[in-house]
Amino acid sequence: DAKTTQPTSMDCAEGRAANLPCNHSTISGNEYVYWYRQIHSQGPQYIIHGLKNNETNEMASLIITEDRKSSTLILPHATLRDTAVYYCIVRAAPLDSGGGADGLTFGKGTHLIIQP
Amino acid sequence: ETGVTQTPRHLVMGMTNKKSLKCEQHLGHNAMYWYKQSAKKPLELMFVYNFKEQTENNSVPSRFSPECPNSSHLFLHLHTLQPEDSALYLCASSSLNQETQYFGPGTRLLVL
Repeated sequence: DAKTTQPTSMDCAEGRAANLPCNHSTISGNEYVYWYRQIHSQGPQYIIHGLKNNETNEMASLIITEDRKSSTLILPHATLRDTAVYYCIVRAAPLDSGGGADGLTFGKGTHLIIQP
Repeated sequence: ETGVTQTPRHLVMGMTNKKSLKCEQHLGHNAMYWYKQSAKKPLELMFVYNFKEQTENNSVPSRFSPECPNSSHLFLHLHTLQPEDSALYLCASSSLNQETQYFGPGTRLLVL
């Protein structure tokens, strides 16, 4: 899996949009960008993923640059419950990696702190 | 509630004990995973099971022994652990055709 680079920590005011950047300059053509988050002492939670188009769901939006070398996760209206470590992961889709499931390779992520 | 449950949630054991961690998924998935998260370190993949068959062992010491009797249950048998094995052990599941993994709440293990 390609490596990703994220800031160690970020602060954001409650109610504001939180923009979390991720660099993945060595991403391959068949690799997706995934975002997970881990609230303290809980298991990671899937947020969103994308290949090259921008994606939006009920939790967040994912903006991927045209060259796919970086992306930004956007939490449009951050709440205190969004305080967590956010992980950006790049990996091939299971069907593209020879079939079968693969584990995820987690980095250190970004510790997002939402300030009241 | 992710549909993946783990028991026990907390476990304290001595280095000579034998214990087992249990994971159960109620999502109809056919792939299951064990991860380890030590203090101040990233999550590390330990084992992967596809259709009850182990497909990946990420250089895990033999004192950790996984078992997958069916696609809904996954165990991690522990014996003669070391204090440095104290960590949060997380189970996850996924469908082979889906990219998303669903994680359980984890078992917080302390080895004395």
